[in-house]
Amino acid sequence: GESVGLHLPTLSVQEGDNSIINCAYSNSASDYFIWYKQESGKGPQFIIDIRSNMDKRQGQRVTVLLNKTVKHLSLQIAATQPGDSAVYFCAENGSSNTGKLIFGQGTTLQVKP
Amino acid sequence: EPEVTQTPSHQVTQMGQEVILRCVPISNHLYFYWYRQILGQKVEFLVSFYNNEISEKSEIFDDQFSVERPDGSNFTLKIRSTKLEDSAMYFCASKFQETQYFGPGTRLLVL
Repeated sequence: GESVGLHLPTLSVQEGDNSIINCAYSNSASDYFIWYKQESGKGPQFIIDIRSNMDKRQGQRVTVLLNKTVKHLSLQIAATQPGDSAVYFCAENGSSNTGKLIFGQGTTLQVKP
Repeated sequence: EPEVTQTPSHQVTQMGQEVILRCVPISNHLYFYWYRQILGQKVEFLVSFYNNEISEKSEIFDDQFSVERPDGSNFTLKIRSTKLEDSAMYFCASKFQETQYFGPGTRLLVL
């Protein structure tokens, strides 16, 4: 299953399917974006990041896409596994030069076995 | 693999009491941050710290909050007189170049 449209609070997918989690960011001055995974009771865990001079970056089973025209970021997870169940947050650096991150609302990914 | 550590994992305090949350950032990192997350909400920036001084703070980080790097390894967040609304998860993060790595958090409950 895939998400359609912009940010959804919960995405439920079948194990083995691909997942797409979307994020609309707010600040056109942002030039660095990052996806974090947060499991219950734990801190945000780095997944993948991308700078604004790129529109796609791939990691292991994950791909981040950046569309600066519409200020949209997405995270694609291939062959979703039960261990991928978590809350996923996108974050941007805004216009700050101190490295502070501005987090989005988060999407809960539920993987059904 | 090096990681950010935080103590305590849980802290329960009475309203009006002072709390100190402790963090040990990754050893070669130069930039340090505190964020908080109220239950069920997004992560919010509190303060950034570089070269032994605050480089940026949010409006949440009022006079009741302070940060310190008392030695070469610890980075602390102090809340002088806690309020009920300070109840949240507090995350420390550090970075060397671009990527921020987060600690496991301290869950603070103010009664």
